This record gives sequence, C-alpha cells and structure tokens, in this order.
Amino acid sequence: GESVGLHLPTLSVQEGDNSIINCAYSNSASDYFIWYKQESGKGPQFIIDIRSNMDKRQGQRVTVLLNKTVKHLSLQIAATQPGDSAVYFCAENPGYSTLTFGKGTMLLVSP
Amino acid sequence: KAGVTQTPRYLIKTRGQQVTLSCSPISGHRSVSWYQQTPGQGLQFLFEYFSETQRNKGNFPGRFSGRQFSNSRSEMNVSTLELGDSALYLCASSPGAGNTIYFGEGSWLTVV
Repeated sequence: GESVGLHLPTLSVQEGDNSIINCAYSNSASDYFIWYKQESGKGPQFIIDIRSNMDKRQGQRVTVLLNKTVKHLSLQIAATQPGDSAVYFCAENPGYSTLTFGKGTMLLVSP
Repeated sequence: KAGVTQTPRYLIKTRGQQVTLSCSPISGHRSVSWYQQTPGQGLQFLFEYFSETQRNKGNFPGRFSGRQFSNSRSEMNVSTLELGDSALYLCASSPGAGNTIYFGEGSWLTVV
C-alpha cells in the first residue's frame, strides 16, 4: 500500500527498549483521547484511550499519560518489538464522535 | 464481530468526475464519521453522522457530501474531482459520543 506518513517525526529504537511518543493537543475542552497505530497501507488501529478524569492508564505493554495542565499526552511502549514499527497518532475528541488528530510519529524498531 | 468495512479499496478517477465511497460500520454502531488522509495535511475530519443525521462537519468544500442510511451504513460522495482530492478516505464507527472509535482500512482514491 501507499504511505500516508511522509515527513513525520521519527523515533528509532532498538528491539527491547522502551519507547515514548509524545503529543500535544489543542482543545482544553476535549475530554477523551485515543492513541492509534497505523501500519503502511492500513487504517488506524486503536491502541489505548484515556478520559480527562484520569492521568494514567495502562494496557498490555502500553501506558498512556495525560497532563491536562500543559495539554500533553504520551504513549509508552514497553519492550518494543519490530512489529511495533508503524506511525502512531494521538487524537482528541472535542465532541460527538469526531476526532482531531496530531501529525503522527513514525516509530522504527531495529532488531 | 466484523470490523468497519469500506468499499472499494482502490479506485482511479479522472478530474471532473465524481466518486461514491461506501462504509459499513461495526454492527450496533450508530455513529459513522469520515476522514481524509494525505501526506501533506495528515488526518482531517470530513463529517459525522448519527442515526441518519449529520451532527458535525469539517472544513471541506461543498463538493464533499455524505449520507447515512437507516441501517447505519454510510456513503460519501465527492463531485467534480480535483487532483488534490487524491487521498486515503477513512471511515470510522462508534456506538456513540464518548465511545471508542474504530476505523476501516480505507479507500485509496487517485485522481488523474
């Protein structure tokens, strides 16, 4: 498939390292945030979400941190694997079922 | 449970033509939204429908339109295609506001 993630910030890590991907959001009224993973030629895949009444949420190998004071989100991936290589997007939900996306970060994992 | 299904997956159109893209949401999901993804602009919201009503619309010209049917399936249409409309068009579905939003694999549109 074609690439839709050209000229993105890139994070390169070694297999087994922990990865941290950061994101700034814009709307202080947003109360729901989602991280998506997008592999080449595919649609965004849900990873983890967090609501504004929380500052941390953990999933399997992933943790999302929310800092509402500075409107910042981060996604931490533990023990990164080559299969984690993809573009990662944060998205905020400003209302209804609509999303405003960040620009994305490309994660490259070397064996 | 089947995911969000989009058809067609790939299509090529000529400038000035129109195109219709189709989306079947996850069973039970009543909200369907559409996004355009390009290398230059990233992921941009087009519009969102819930129970056949458009609830929200992004900043796109009137050439972009959509609709939702009583079975929650949705279509979007782009008329008078321009080269800049070449993009990946993504459909997403959700049970409703504040719930997880799931995406389909997208429809790749190339305008020549």
